[in-house]
Amino acid sequence: AQSVAQPEDQVNVAEGNPLTVKCTYSVSGNPYLFWYVQYPNRGLQFLLKYITGDNLVKGSYGFEAEFNKSQTSFHLKKPSALVSDSALYFCAVRDPGRRGSQGNLIFGKGTKLSVKP
Amino acid sequence: EAQVTQNPRYLITVTGKKLTVTCSQNMNHEYMSWYRQDPGLGLRQIYYSMNVEVTDKGDVPEGYKVSRKEKRNFPLILESPSPNQTSLYFCASSPTGNYGYTFGSGTRLTVV
Repeated sequence: AQSVAQPEDQVNVAEGNPLTVKCTYSVSGNPYLFWYVQYPNRGLQFLLKYITGDNLVKGSYGFEAEFNKSQTSFHLKKPSALVSDSALYFCAVRDPGRRGSQGNLIFGKGTKLSVKP
Repeated sequence: EAQVTQNPRYLITVTGKKLTVTCSQNMNHEYMSWYRQDPGLGLRQIYYSMNVEVTDKGDVPEGYKVSRKEKRNFPLILESPSPNQTSLYFCASSPTGNYGYTFGSGTRLTVV
């Protein structure tokens, strides 16, 4: 069965420093991977996705993520964190090789990012 | 404006009283889905639909029903709500499985 793990409940970063939010996944075939962000009292916003192609994916608000097949990881990164990046971040995975899974997007438990001035 | 609209935003109800949370999208998306969000558990998929009259169970379908009679609408039905269904619910839609979901603003449900 497909699954996704975010090993850190919270990540604390100083403004201006690089940030990394970790995500690992488990699927039987090649995964479709996504990152979302949720600001307080808001819905989820799409940041970026990996379907195929270049392992480094660039997304909204200066975020990027690197797909690493050997480590089954899809960590979210940003070179210089902003206080306004403070939010809850979710990694999600779909297994396109699994019959009937087209709408079945599985989310991690989320990582709270806190960026301090 | 392209969006997913859920109603109501907030709902307090009593155990056993049937309720429906509506969801509508104006983007002509094929896929629609319902998730619930609980602290420490992240988002868990309840049901999803790949087209009109095509639905499938997610990870936590017990106690919920859905229907997809029209492409734009995907209501979530709780026939007999219980306190353990107190949660934040999100509806979402997507054009295909290769795209991420676009989420609604959420419905905070409290069952007392």
